[in-house]
Amino acid sequence: DVKVTQSSRYLVKRTGEKVFLECVQDMDHENMFWYRQDPGLGLRLIYFSYDVKMKEKGDIPEGYSVSREKKERFSLILESASTNQTSMYLCASSTPGQANTEAFFGQGTRLTVV
Amino acid sequence: AQSVTQLDSHVSVSEGTPVLLRCNYSSSYSPSLFWYVQHPNKGLQLLLKYTSAATLVKGINGFEAEFKKSETSFHLTKPSAHMSDAAEYFCVVRPLPGAQKLVFGQGTRLTINP
Repeated sequence: DVKVTQSSRYLVKRTGEKVFLECVQDMDHENMFWYRQDPGLGLRLIYFSYDVKMKEKGDIPEGYSVSREKKERFSLILESASTNQTSMYLCASSTPGQANTEAFFGQGTRLTVV
Repeated sequence: AQSVTQLDSHVSVSEGTPVLLRCNYSSSYSPSLFWYVQHPNKGLQLLLKYTSAATLVKGINGFEAEFKKSETSFHLTKPSAHMSDAAEYFCVVRPLPGAQKLVFGQGTRLTINP
């Protein structure tokens, strides 16, 4: 069974801390994504990566960075956490965009910044 | 720009009655369309997908959706709601055949009344 695993379900961090959210997939997918989910806004793309060490900004990259050193792992980094980054974060992976290719999602990390 | 609009932020039905969740998209091309479901504190799970093979698409848990190009719609239906259907539902579009990124609607929260 395909699997995308996020390292934490719940995190509480202090303002100004550097925060790492980790995501691992076991499907040998080239593409990996980080989304942020907020009520009424759906999912918004923060960054995605289409290959090792390759990344592209999504719709809301400000305040975030990413790292992809290995194909199976994609990390989201909050350089200096702020309260407006309190949210649910979802990682996803997929194969390159053929028409019938869906994305597979992790369970999500609910981050609270205090 | 390609986009997807879910026409209802919240739908409430009684158990055993039909479910209709509405979705309209805008795309210059024939898009790929998906419906995902998210149960509380869970990741997103694929319900069904349309990729031009057939306009009526059947998914898991008795859900189906019909692609209507003339109306640019992809509404999700189920003949008889079950309590376990209570969740958030997302309509998603891959606007171009080779596009890496998916575009999400804002979500519809489905409540089932006993």
